[in-house]
Amino acid sequence: EDQVTQSPEALRLQEGESSSLNCSYTVSGLRGLFWYRQDPGKGPEFLFTLYSAGEEKEKERLKATLTKKESFLHITAPKPEDSATYLCAVQGSGDEKTSGSRLTFGEGTQLTVNP
Amino acid sequence: ETGVTQSPTHLIKTRGQQVTLRCSSQSGHNTVSWYQQALGQGPQFIFQYYREEENGRGNFPPRFSGLQFPNYSSELNVNALELDDSALYLCASSLREGGYTQYFGPGTRLTVL
Repeated sequence: EDQVTQSPEALRLQEGESSSLNCSYTVSGLRGLFWYRQDPGKGPEFLFTLYSAGEEKEKERLKATLTKKESFLHITAPKPEDSATYLCAVQGSGDEKTSGSRLTFGEGTQLTVNP
Repeated sequence: ETGVTQSPTHLIKTRGQQVTLRCSSQSGHNTVSWYQQALGQGPQFIFQYYREEENGRGNFPPRFSGLQFPNYSSELNVNALELDDSALYLCASSLREGGYTQYFGPGTRLTVL
């Protein structure tokens, strides 16, 4: 069974204070690891897909990296508008017929950036 | 290119009732997945539809059922509502032949009293 653990559960930063969010995972044959941003009461907004260890992707102040056991979401010089819950999910290459291409999510990291 | 849309936005039902939630997938996508997200938790996979057939199911009872239509829109039906069914229901669409990234709609907030 695929599993995802995110840490910390909550993180408070001052504006401009860089940090990293962690996503540890176990999966049977990784098809992809996904990062989403979710604002309160809204649907998750897609950020990145990572497919293999060593891959990195960047978007504005965010950079996602992937190893064989974990992924990091690095936030450089965050701004208050970066405040949100960040969700990590994995998709494994299990039995397509029974499990489909399901995403298994972690519980998320709630990020608050104070001005 | 239109994104994923869901209706209604909010819904209040009483225990034992039935509910239907609707989702229109992103243009060009042929796969729809449904997730349930309880407050403070990550989304949990309910089931997935590909070309109008169920293609994978999570640990949800049979009273959760769905449909996908020829235009790839989808419905989630829940019978005999229970208090624990109160959650944000999310629909995500993807193109099976185009990679595995799923794009989510805004969700439907269901409250069961």
